[in-house]
Amino acid sequence: NAGVMQNPRHLVRRRGQEARLRCSPMKGHSHVYWYRQLPEEGLKFMVYLQKENIIDESGMPKERFSAEFPKEGPSILRIQQVVRGDSAAYFCASTRGREETQYFGPGTRLLVL
Amino acid sequence: AQTVTQSQPEMSVQEAETVTLSCTYDTSESDYYLFWYKQPPSRQMILVIRQEAYKQQNATENRFSVNFQKAAKSFSLKISDSQLGDAAMYFCAYRSAGQGGSEKLVFGKGTKLTVNP
Repeated sequence: NAGVMQNPRHLVRRRGQEARLRCSPMKGHSHVYWYRQLPEEGLKFMVYLQKENIIDESGMPKERFSAEFPKEGPSILRIQQVVRGDSAAYFCASTRGREETQYFGPGTRLLVL
Repeated sequence: AQTVTQSQPEMSVQEAETVTLSCTYDTSESDYYLFWYKQPPSRQMILVIRQEAYKQQNATENRFSVNFQKAAKSFSLKISDSQLGDAAMYFCAYRSAGQGGSEKLVFGKGTKLTVNP
């Protein structure tokens, strides 16, 4: 029973490039959450999605960041025109439904040069 | 908005001893969940324990137990018989449970636990 999968595990981008982070939830889970962890900080919520719907994007920066969770395939967090401040660990978590414990993937470490 | 505070940036414990990590939170809600997550050097987030606010009984999971004081808005984690593998960052987290509440987890800044042999 595979857990939450994220890829790539490490991603290096130069300033101005695009970063695409993928998250495959646990089998049977249709709710996905994205969090960002800056160095020496706790995780900060970014966005909550169900299949084909964004439910809560209150933590997403207004520009350059977008997320989707299509009917088929993984959830994608997309960062356009990356800047050094985007360097962080990005985690996704999934649940089967509401009011359930969130189980986390291993994270993607993004480094912007 | 809810906030979670972990007042101990670092803690240390001798192997086989007991340690308690502190967490306080601020909320006006009456129905919510509280969690402790562990982040070892691999940086994987691992669920340690979960507490429902409506339950008076403190949650326990093997060597891990919590002291949940709802009126005081306190949620401490006790690790008994500490093992070297317990060394990690520990994060306390809050989540709304009521209708219309946000599904997101609100995390504290973490406590780095060192276990000395």
